[in-house]
Amino acid sequence: GAGVSQSPRYKVTKRGQDVALRCDPISGHVSLYWYRQALGQGPEFLTYFNYEAQQDKSGLPNDRFSAERPEGSISTLTIQRTEQRDSAMYRCASSLSAGGTGELFFGEGSRLTVL
Amino acid sequence: RKEVEQDPGPFNVPEGATVAFNCTYSNSASQSFFWYRQDCRKEPKLLMSVYSSGNEDGRFTAQLNRASQYISLLIRDSKLSDSATYLCVVNSPLYGKLIFGQGTELSVKP
Repeated sequence: GAGVSQSPRYKVTKRGQDVALRCDPISGHVSLYWYRQALGQGPEFLTYFNYEAQQDKSGLPNDRFSAERPEGSISTLTIQRTEQRDSAMYRCASSLSAGGTGELFFGEGSRLTVL
Repeated sequence: RKEVEQDPGPFNVPEGATVAFNCTYSNSASQSFFWYRQDCRKEPKLLMSVYSSGNEDGRFTAQLNRASQYISLLIRDSKLSDSATYLCVVNSPLYGKLIFGQGTELSVKP
């Protein structure tokens, strides 16, 4: 389809394992955002890219979290040595324009459960 | 202080009622403001942008008050289908990231 695609939709992993979450944005979109959302809360900013450049990673909780977008399209959010507190919905969004001025289009999210 | 703050609600209103939500933001240099709607277990979707002069889209009116650093959303003649969580979104001017508020839950009852 033409929307933002995230995979896997659901991931169950054991504590201590590494996980990689993938986001395929809408073709041609400049900006790509990663958010984390807990139940009953708004999306919490993690990081974002303009093209392949990571503009802001201030929301990444600690150094176990990293993200990349090497060719300015698909992005991967990696969580190393997962902990139970990492369990959440991880949402990716893309925008045609940079600078936080345009509409965000979200994928359906990746729900991570760490046992 | 959070960058974007909203009253989480829930707001329980009867059909046909008018309801208003406010959202405050901390960075006076923010330039872009939005309201998103999120249905239960779904992804957020843009409801409307908020312009300096205020703007209207059917039953929905958005206002920006830069002096007091808040934006508002007014919904007139509420419908059952308006039941959702409404998220206030503000850009952070330094790097352009978009910050979401906690969301305000609206439940419209028959």
